[in-house]
Amino acid sequence: DSGVTQTPKHLITATGQRVTLRCSPRSGDLSVYWYQQSLDQGLQFLIQYYNGEERAKGNILERFSAQQFPDLHSELNLSSLELGDSALYFCASSAGTSGIYNEQFFGPGTRLTVL
Amino acid sequence: AQSVTQPDIHITVSEGASLELRCNYSYGATPYLFWYVQSPGQGLQLLLKYFSGDTLVQGIKGFEAEFKRSQSSFNLRKPSVHWSDAAEYFCAVGERVNDMRFGAGTRLTVKP
Repeated sequence: DSGVTQTPKHLITATGQRVTLRCSPRSGDLSVYWYQQSLDQGLQFLIQYYNGEERAKGNILERFSAQQFPDLHSELNLSSLELGDSALYFCASSAGTSGIYNEQFFGPGTRLTVL
Repeated sequence: AQSVTQPDIHITVSEGASLELRCNYSYGATPYLFWYVQSPGQGLQLLLKYFSGDTLVQGIKGFEAEFKRSQSSFNLRKPSVHWSDAAEYFCAVGERVNDMRFGAGTRLTVKP
């Protein structure tokens, strides 16, 4: 158990809909990272927040947004969903600002299925 | 552009046998290199990483990896595989989190 929790575990929705994925980092970690793992694209970094501020941005679509709240939990919002958004979405956390020098601890993921 | 290739999609080894998982990369500078393991239903866990220095890196769970600059490789090894090592293994390269590239993964099956 990494100490990172993600809810829900599974989510099934329809095209065009909007969903929110939630992540609680390990106690004391200030950075939260979001990743997408799909069959065709593999594992891709989406975005990082550090203590409430956006820190780094990857291949995140404009239809997707994230935020980190004062209690350090984070939410990833996915809107106007398409079939290709079906994937496993991971959250990770780390103590410091660098996802390279500081080990990232991954949650178990949320599996999103868009029908 | 940087990229990571894991040539083996699936490997099967017998319990107690040695293991080597291959990783080749393409990167403009000396890269930072990582190996992660993903067990079924779990997130990724960092096994080991290479930044600089000694090219043989020791990690957790008895794994090691060797950086070979001339071959652009960072292969993962374990001398004796346990049934609990069955998982998916990912190699990654990058200097910053937003330029990290992950390989497609190698699925390891361990035969009793």
